[in-house]
Amino acid sequence: DQQVKQNSPSLSVQEGRISILNCDYTNSMFDYFLWYKKYPAEGPTFLISISSIKDKNEDGRFTVFLNKSAKHLSLHIVPSQPGDSAVYFCAASAQGGSEKLVFGKGTKLTVNP
Amino acid sequence: DTAVSQTPKYLVTQMGNDKSIKCEQNLGHDTMYWYKQDSKKFLKIMFSYNNKELIINETVPNRFSPKSPDKAHLNLHINSLELGDSAVYFCASSPTGTASGNTIYFGEGSWLTVV
Repeated sequence: DQQVKQNSPSLSVQEGRISILNCDYTNSMFDYFLWYKKYPAEGPTFLISISSIKDKNEDGRFTVFLNKSAKHLSLHIVPSQPGDSAVYFCAASAQGGSEKLVFGKGTKLTVNP
Repeated sequence: DTAVSQTPKYLVTQMGNDKSIKCEQNLGHDTMYWYKQDSKKFLKIMFSYNNKELIINETVPNRFSPKSPDKAHLNLHINSLELGDSAVYFCASSPTGTASGNTIYFGEGSWLTVV
């Protein structure tokens, strides 16, 4: 039972264009969402997060949007750079009892020069 | 200066053996985790310790036993290894657990192959 779903296993964009990675969740108790980036043979590294009290959080080229009614979040990267090529994981956690992150399966982003 | 370090990075071993993966964090965090990324690429939590106390134990065979000698270390012992245990195991840590909205920091992973 996947509580966090990333339905696109891969995405390819041109350098300089916008990358949009999507994530859907089913558990309405989730109230904190994170994006992690993972290069081959390395551990996931934290990229950006958003609390459910917000609908947008921006950090440089990275913006995360949250639509609670649709149980959907997205990560926008603009402009995309070749160094952004990696696997991006969406993750979620719930307050009040859950000490764990639930991860999506990941989306492999390739930014072509 | 690695924040969360785990050893070994690569491990190839035969079925039936017992092996350990060690993890240390120098971030001063109270909570440590073991996550497993299987062949289907899902990253799932196995265990979580807070100040050396077990707080999460997902449905994991009891051949897997975590041990936390202090809050900076969380080792994973695996007995009687099976082919299906082949995966990447990630150690991680966070200040006080993700329920308070904290970010967790991962180690580089340990690639375990059971032959």
